[in-house]
Amino acid sequence: DTGVSQDPRHKITKRGQNVTFRCDPISEHNRLYWYRQTLGQGPEFLTYFQNEAQLEKSRLLSDRFSAERPKGSFSTLEIQRTEQGDSAMYLCASSLVRGGTVQETQYFGPGTRLLVL
Amino acid sequence: AQTVTQSQPEMSVQEAETVTLSCTYDTSESDYYLFWYKQPPSRQMILVIRQEAYKQQNATENRFSVNFQKAAKSFSLKISDSQLGDAAMYFCAYRSAGFGNEKLTFGTGTRLTIIP
Repeated sequence: DTGVSQDPRHKITKRGQNVTFRCDPISEHNRLYWYRQTLGQGPEFLTYFQNEAQLEKSRLLSDRFSAERPKGSFSTLEIQRTEQGDSAMYLCASSLVRGGTVQETQYFGPGTRLLVL
Repeated sequence: AQTVTQSQPEMSVQEAETVTLSCTYDTSESDYYLFWYKQPPSRQMILVIRQEAYKQQNATENRFSVNFQKAAKSFSLKISDSQLGDAAMYFCAYRSAGFGNEKLTFGTGTRLTIIP
């Protein structure tokens, strides 16, 4: 068990470009969450998956954002036509649902820090 | 919607002393979980301690303990025998207990400095 991993750790892009981030959850975890953290703030929920199904999306997730988890393992978060306001740390977390019970703890990855110039 | 408030943006404590970080929350739910997460500089967020709302007993994890006051909607974190490695941002977080409603709602954090 290597924990939650995210790639890349840092990304600098120019306004208007598209970026894609990847998250690999803890291997047996079937829930995967995305959060965004801006400077000086706590993380804010964006979306989450149960296996490959996207169960909830925050209003923060505009049309320029799309997340997928095609095979129920890793997930990608894509931002199209990036804006300076998208600059933030993007955090991924995972947890386990077993027998209808959700393990209460979410385990976080190291995050991808995005800077849009 | 639930909200979490951390009213102390920064705290400092002498090494080996005790410090308490405050957190209040607002919810109309009766069953939920509360968490304290630690985020060291440039490192990932890790769970410090969690509390189930239905449990009256306060959670403890080694040097970390909480004071959970359900009626007051208060959830403070006490760190005893502070160590240099405790320096970090500390976030209080709330999660509904309901199945399918699992997003974490975080406070704005408290930056803890340990003075050698």
